[in-house]
Amino acid sequence: EAGVAQSPRYKIIEKRQSVAFWCNPISGHATLYWYQQILGQGPKLLIQFQNNGVVDDSQLPKDRFSAERLKGVDSTLKIQPAKLEDSAVYLCASSSRGGGAGDTQYFGPGTRLTVL
Amino acid sequence: GENVEQHPSTLSVQEGDSAVIKCTYSDSASNYFPWYKQELGKRPQLIIDIRSNVGEKKDQRIAVTLNKTAKHFSLHITETQPEDSAVYFCAAIPYSGAGSYQLTFGKGTKLSVIP
Repeated sequence: EAGVAQSPRYKIIEKRQSVAFWCNPISGHATLYWYQQILGQGPKLLIQFQNNGVVDDSQLPKDRFSAERLKGVDSTLKIQPAKLEDSAVYLCASSSRGGGAGDTQYFGPGTRLTVL
Repeated sequence: GENVEQHPSTLSVQEGDSAVIKCTYSDSASNYFPWYKQELGKRPQLIIDIRSNVGEKKDQRIAVTLNKTAKHFSLHITETQPEDSAVYFCAAIPYSGAGSYQLTFGKGTKLSVIP
């Protein structure tokens, strides 16, 4: 089966600019996740969607980050305005059920964001 | 929320030796513990997982053990090979309510297998 697709793979922007990332999950997967992975650390969950509804966005910095999953398939994550500390790899993942034990999360290749 | 500690942060072993990575978690409600392997510049990939009702699970050269009482779990790789070199992440999932299963990762262990 095709994997999780993300674009762009790399992005370099100036601080205070805006940026958007796109994710296409594995076909039929109900749950979509966005993670932030800072260099040298494990991924941190930003937001979890079940179909097109938000399940958990408790760690999303809502003053600058927003995400949507229209029609329960593709998703976009936006940062506006970006800060230096937003430099990280943004990973999208999907799973076939609602998360939890045994519901494997499959990760995309990530988007490496550099904020100058 | 859940907190996952992972040790060591770096590990070097000779090819053919065993490698052990240990993790502890804080939330006793956590019931699922996956391990991911991330090669340089690539996506994390699930290599093995264990549920809280099982004490040990093996898959060829990889095994994971879980001690619920002590709230720690470990990854064991035997007969290591150069292609095992990567960063390994442990993770835990508690149920956070309203359908939220927040996968919390450790900080990772960089394993280097020396030929």
